[in-house]
Amino acid sequence: DAGITQSPRHKVTETGTPVTLRCHQTENHRYMYWYRQDPGHGLRLIHYSYGVKDTDKGEVSDGYSVSRSKTEDFLLTLESATSSQTSVYFCAIAVTGGAGELFFGEGSRLTVL
Amino acid sequence: SQQGEEDPQALSIQEGENATMNCSYKTSINNLQWYRQNSGRGLVHLILIRSNEREKHSGRLRVTLDTSKKSSSLLITASRAADTASYFCATVFYNQGGKLIFGQGTELSVKP
Repeated sequence: DAGITQSPRHKVTETGTPVTLRCHQTENHRYMYWYRQDPGHGLRLIHYSYGVKDTDKGEVSDGYSVSRSKTEDFLLTLESATSSQTSVYFCAIAVTGGAGELFFGEGSRLTVL
Repeated sequence: SQQGEEDPQALSIQEGENATMNCSYKTSINNLQWYRQNSGRGLVHLILIRSNEREKHSGRLRVTLDTSKKSSSLLITASRAADTASYFCATVFYNQGGKLIFGQGTELSVKP
């Protein structure tokens, strides 16, 4: 168990509202990731972080922002949620460096009405 | 897109049979990884194969990598009903360490 938790696990919100998902790790790993999973698309990388205040964009970063002010927390923010952002969001951490295997959280299911 | 492509999208077999899933990618890689996802859960890492390796084994899993064809395969031998899950390949592209890109996955169903 890599000690990774996501919150909230489920959220229903309305179009246009801001939403923040939190990923928390207990082991001070450097690399953290946010993915979204949709039917027919597999997992798509949104943003990732390689250290405090160090982040980079992934494949589908439009409409999302991230922050990492401390090692253990990686926040994903939807500034103004849209229905197309209805998805399951997964956080992951790399325990052996940026090119190594990932450990995933259990996911956060977001529904935007 | 740099995303790997997996084939087949769905596979249904009987217990005891072997299951083979394939993954293709487009550009040079640092390594390729395989993950498993049970319904409603997060992904679980299965095996990592580096660009200079051709084959790796882990229990009933065998992964091959052909960098000349930019492809990999995952073989599960003597499948069990408990192997029913989605399987994903993921690639770390050369000079992009830290960015792990997933394919769309293969949905495996093993019938008892």
